Amino acid sequence: GENVEQHPSTLSVQEGDSAVIKCTYSDSASNYFPWYKQELGKRPQLIIDIRSNVGEKKDQRIAVTLNKTAKHFSLHITETQPEDSAVYFCAASARGGGNKLTFGTGTQLKVEL
Amino acid sequence: NAGVTQTPKFQVLKTGQSMTLQCAQDMNHNSMYWYRQDPGMGLRLIYYSASEGTTDKGEVPNGYNVSRLNKREFSLRLESAAPSQTSVYFCASVSGGSNYGYTFGSGTRLTVV
Repeated sequence: GENVEQHPSTLSVQEGDSAVIKCTYSDSASNYFPWYKQELGKRPQLIIDIRSNVGEKKDQRIAVTLNKTAKHFSLHITETQPEDSAVYFCAASARGGGNKLTFGTGTQLKVEL
Repeated sequence: NAGVTQTPKFQVLKTGQSMTLQCAQDMNHNSMYWYRQDPGMGLRLIYYSASEGTTDKGEVPNGYNVSRLNKREFSLRLESAAPSQTSVYFCASVSGGSNYGYTFGSGTRLTVV
């Protein structure tokens, strides 16, 4: 089955700096890669996703890049703000097979003033 | 439009007791999932239902059973709770087709003593 590894497990940045979280996956059949943000005590919420036919996608201050050859994808947050502090999860899914998502172990991002 | 509704939000069980976690979605989604979330381990798939009438095991199915009661409802049952099942449980759903984005419920925090 799919295995997703995520790094780093914790990340601390100064407000206004950029943050990068990286994930690798094992199953070459995976073709959908979402990122979720989870605030303390809340449910995970989808913030951005990318499909395997696209190399990069941006949405305001967040962007995701995908390297299919190397089987890794990354989340980039620019101009970080205190409200960006949360746990971020990457995930991967292969088409079919019930659209199951395999999640990484999460990155605790702390944006310091 | 409530999205994905989980009940209960909190539960304390004694070892050996049984209980059912309820999940309902009102978005006409085809696929539903149960995940557990433990510190440092991300979200792990317990069981899923790709469509009404089907259920399949995920990564960590031991000690659990599920029922896809109809298109809206997907329940998770613990027949004989164990302390290792102390976790936060999330139900999620997705429409399928070209839309892979999960919608999560608010979670059930379960403690087994």
